[in-house]
Amino acid sequence: GAVVSQHPSRVICKSGTSVKIECRSLDFQATTMFWYRQFPKQSLMLMATSNEGSKATYEQGVEKDKFLINHASLTLSTLTVTSAHPEDSSFYICSATSLEGPRDTQYFGPGTRLTVL
Amino acid sequence: KNQVEQSPQSLIILEGKNCTLQCNYTVSPFSNLRWYKQDTGRGPVSLTIMTFSENTKSNGRYTATLDADTKQSSLHITASQLSDSASYICVVSVGDNNDMRFGAGTRLTVKP
Repeated sequence: GAVVSQHPSRVICKSGTSVKIECRSLDFQATTMFWYRQFPKQSLMLMATSNEGSKATYEQGVEKDKFLINHASLTLSTLTVTSAHPEDSSFYICSATSLEGPRDTQYFGPGTRLTVL
Repeated sequence: KNQVEQSPQSLIILEGKNCTLQCNYTVSPFSNLRWYKQDTGRGPVSLTIMTFSENTKSNGRYTATLDADTKQSSLHITASQLSDSASYICVVSVGDNNDMRFGAGTRLTVKP
């Protein structure tokens, strides 16, 4: 149980375009979803925390107008990278905590590799 | 300075050998410590979780230890396999609000 999926698994786009990444909890309801970014050979960096039906909380230094997060339901959160540039190329990983499980247990998705040309 | 320091940064061992990865942390108040395995291009997968009162936790060939007094943890891998090649990330949770602090990871390569 506690499976989190992401779509797409990889995406290549042109500079200036917007890219949407979906994060779904497949077999549980997620109270909170987290979005991380990971550059090569570095650890995960938390970008934002989102709760269903409310605005996301962004970490310091993360532009909320550039990284739009929508958490429309208890099983789906989306991250939209607007006007993507090459420096946005990274590995984006989401995670979720279960409505019924321990609050401090995060289940990670498989990640989305974004390459901006 | 990162509040969760891992060592070594990378490690190469031969198949069948054992190895130990280290994690030192300075975060407070401590809630729990997790070790994750992250295959290249994949999301992290939890291996072990330990709370303040737990000294050791095993998951198959993986054994994690925790010394909450010295704020140190280790992950011991026994009889390594090629599939153990991955990054191993130490994550410490702070307080009650699920604030997780990530180590930079140790990149393990197991060679035949």
